[in-house]
Amino acid sequence: KQEVTQIPAALSVPEGENLVLNCSFTDSAIYNLQWFRQDPGKGLTSLLLIQSSQREQTSGRLNASLDKSSGRSTLYIAASQPGDSATYLCAPKDSWGKLQFGSGTQVVVTP
Amino acid sequence: DTAVSQTPKYLVTQMGNDKSIKCEQNLGHDTMYWYKQDSKKFLKIMFSYNNKELIINETVPNRFSPKSPDKAHLNLHINSLELGDSAVYFCASSQELAGGLVTGELFFGEGSRLTVL
Repeated sequence: KQEVTQIPAALSVPEGENLVLNCSFTDSAIYNLQWFRQDPGKGLTSLLLIQSSQREQTSGRLNASLDKSSGRSTLYIAASQPGDSATYLCAPKDSWGKLQFGSGTQVVVTP
Repeated sequence: DTAVSQTPKYLVTQMGNDKSIKCEQNLGHDTMYWYKQDSKKFLKIMFSYNNKELIINETVPNRFSPKSPDKAHLNLHINSLELGDSAVYFCASSQELAGGLVTGELFFGEGSRLTVL
């Protein structure tokens, strides 16, 4: 059974600092891995999708890497802004199409 | 235009009642899901339908019954509601490639917060 761990559980940084969010998973037989953000009381917004054959994916200030063999993914957010404050979730997808979610990293960016 | 929309957004009801949550997606996706987020914010899959066919059915009480009238809609009916059913229920959709290769990106609705009193 896939288990997903996200470290740290919470992170507070001043505006402008770079953020590094870690995700590890126990079963490396994944088809892709998706990073989401969730604002309080809201749904999940997809940030990046990395296919199992890819090593990284970039979108604006966001960069996600994937090391499938070691069961790790990292989300980098450059030059953080207060609007980046949210909970970030990683979710690898298995061969059945199931996303297994981590418990998330709660990020606070202070002005 | 909302890609994945759920109704109602909030639902407060008494134990023992039956309730339904509706979901519609306008992305043309072939696969839809229901996820449950509990009070500790942990998200877990409940069901998945591909082209109206049930493909994932996690260990969910049979009081929960999904129905997919067409590939753009996936509804969730819950019978005999219990206190422990209180949670936020999220609908999602994705486009999965043919031939069993599962690679699609999931898009989520805003959630339906169910409170059972």
